[in-house]
Amino acid sequence: GAGVSQSPRYKVAKRGQDVALRCDPISGHVSLFWYQQALGQGPEFLTYFQNEAQLDKSGLPSDRFFAERPEGSVSTLKIQRTQQEDSAVYLCASSLQIYSNQPQHFGDGTRLSIL
Amino acid sequence: KNEVEQSPQNLTAQEGEFITINCSYSVGISALHWLQQHPGGGIVSLFMLSSGKKKHGRLIATINIQEKHSSLHITASHPRDSAVYICAVNLPLIKAAGNKLTFGGGTRVLVKP
Repeated sequence: GAGVSQSPRYKVAKRGQDVALRCDPISGHVSLFWYQQALGQGPEFLTYFQNEAQLDKSGLPSDRFFAERPEGSVSTLKIQRTQQEDSAVYLCASSLQIYSNQPQHFGDGTRLSIL
Repeated sequence: KNEVEQSPQNLTAQEGEFITINCSYSVGISALHWLQQHPGGGIVSLFMLSSGKKKHGRLIATINIQEKHSSLHITASHPRDSAVYICAVNLPLIKAAGNKLTFGGGTRVLVKP
């Protein structure tokens, strides 16, 4: 595709509900990252995929957060039993190669509001 | 202490003014990125650099590896430059961790006509 696509753009959920956020990276991009951006802050790393393998999930804040990329392309970030502190913009980014520094291409993010 | 610090947090300029945003980091890095984020949330990569200086249009980015410091300059600023500018770094590459970014808190820039 032309760029990284994220859906939905906005999600409102009640505390305790489960949510699923989707990321469609640029075709052929091996690396995929999820970041969380609280209001007025810089993004923070959540998890990293190399193709379908989740190689780093050190940034996931709790076991309520789960991410997958089963076929090495589309990724889903799932948050179970949402809490108010989960309210943030969730950004997905992809890059072409694995081991060299390259620009990351970002989606427009999903703004999650937990009531 | 955050690994990546930016200053100022907020900046207001008149159209045409020269703008400088600073970024300091406390760890060894393999690359530094300057990113632009508009109110809609989307992030655009402006520069990636590991040494020296890069220029693109009215934007200039410099980095001093020894001092662990980078600056982003906007010459002849325009209201359309109003955005949040974010500094981010790649730590030295570890194969299992990919090239994840560590971000500064961002600088909110407002350019008034």
